[in-house]
Amino acid sequence: EVQLVESGGGLVQPGGSLRLSCAASGFTVSGTYMSWVRQAPGKGLEWISVIYSGGSTHYADSVKGRFTISRDNSKNTLFLQMTSLRAEDTAVYYCAREQYASGSYSYFDYWGQGTLVTVSS
Amino acid sequence: EIVLTQSPGTLSLSPGEGATLSCRASQSVSSSYLAWYQQKPGQAPRLLIYGASSRATGIPDRFSGSGSGTDFTLTISRLEPEDFAVYFCQQYGSSSYSFGQGTKLEIK
Repeated sequence: EVQLVESGGGLVQPGGSLRLSCAASGFTVSGTYMSWVRQAPGKGLEWISVIYSGGSTHYADSVKGRFTISRDNSKNTLFLQMTSLRAEDTAVYYCAREQYASGSYSYFDYWGQGTLVTVSS
Repeated sequence: EIVLTQSPGTLSLSPGEGATLSCRASQSVSSSYLAWYQQKPGQAPRLLIYGASSRATGIPDRFSGSGSGTDFTLTISRLEPEDFAVYFCQQYGSSSYSFGQGTKLEIK
């Protein structure tokens, strides 16, 4: 059974750092595309980062240079290192698995339950 | 960046009625890379439709998707009480992804 479990959220001051984790089971993180998607309170979904099976990474402009996505293949875990946090980064952060085939499909088929990050003094 | 605009923002309907939700892209999107999700309060999004018109595993056939280019539609043929939720469209293109702002489907 595929499962994604996020952890690491919490309250952090503006300018601070936090590292989120997403423990995967039922599949191999290194063999697929994994993204982080966030949702500010009462707002819509915002994609923020992806790591492809080959290891390349991409970021939304809103987090580029501040957030880093990575994975630990031995632990089958995805990470999001967040630095220089701002109030507008306050959100529930979801990790999501992407199914992708060039020219055929791209969609997020499994999501974690989310972890809340609150940036406030 | 491709911007997805969903309409209406809120749709008030009764169980048994049909619903039509729209998703318009700021530039052409490959139908292969257009998906729809349902989200209920306190829950993660759930995949409904991928490839603009293919239902995900376990999704009832009252949900259908259509469209191409810049205009896509999610149709729910006969609303069940559990269908009242927020719906998001999402696209992928050039190593970037975006979501629409969502349509809230509420009970009238």
